[in-house]
Amino acid sequence: RKEVEQDPGPFNVPEGATVAFNCTYSNSASQSFFWYRQDCRKEPKLLMSVYSSGNEDGRFTAQLNRASQYISLLIRDSKLSDSATYLCVVNSGGGFKTIFGAGTRLFVKA
Amino acid sequence: GAGVSQSPSNKVTEKGKDVELRCDPISGHTALYWYRQSLGQGLEFLIYFQGNSAPDKSGLPSDRFSAERTGGSVSTLTIQRTQQEDSAVYLCASSFGGQPQHFGDGTRLSIL
Repeated sequence: RKEVEQDPGPFNVPEGATVAFNCTYSNSASQSFFWYRQDCRKEPKLLMSVYSSGNEDGRFTAQLNRASQYISLLIRDSKLSDSATYLCVVNSGGGFKTIFGAGTRLFVKA
Repeated sequence: GAGVSQSPSNKVTEKGKDVELRCDPISGHTALYWYRQSLGQGLEFLIYFQGNSAPDKSGLPSDRFSAERTGGSVSTLTIQRTQQEDSAVYLCASSFGGQPQHFGDGTRLSIL
């Protein structure tokens, strides 16, 4: 079993739609969680951190469920520019070792 | 520039040759990571350095892979006796204390 698992998609949604991605992790000792975004043939960039109480940044909401060991990302009012691959990232139990999920591809259509 | 710099940007070499990939992190960043990404796949953790601590090498796929970081700054990833399955984009990232990680543009390695 992979340490971090994501549905690869692709998710094809119209502009204005709400879309949600989940990610599960296997190491219960993991402490830090993040969502990164990667555009085609570009380097990943941090989208947002995920806090225990859940957090929101504009149209993006991230949540953590420690009991079930998953994190989620909700995107409201999707824009064409949201089309990208969304990477779930987990700090692997201690130190700075970071495990990236394989990513979920999102296509937002006009 | 102020970002993470990787070189070369592209490398084509014959199977069996050794290659060296270089990463120049953002000045002052204490942590440096190496990942590789195959076409259409996610990032595979290889190794990370944090300050003067011993590196975490747990992601290196075989003993043909090694990395060092000199003077707490520039890092070199070396792949000996390259195989075709080593073909991938090798990404370096640096950070000040974990996150966010700032990535370089990567080195696209092709083994013929």
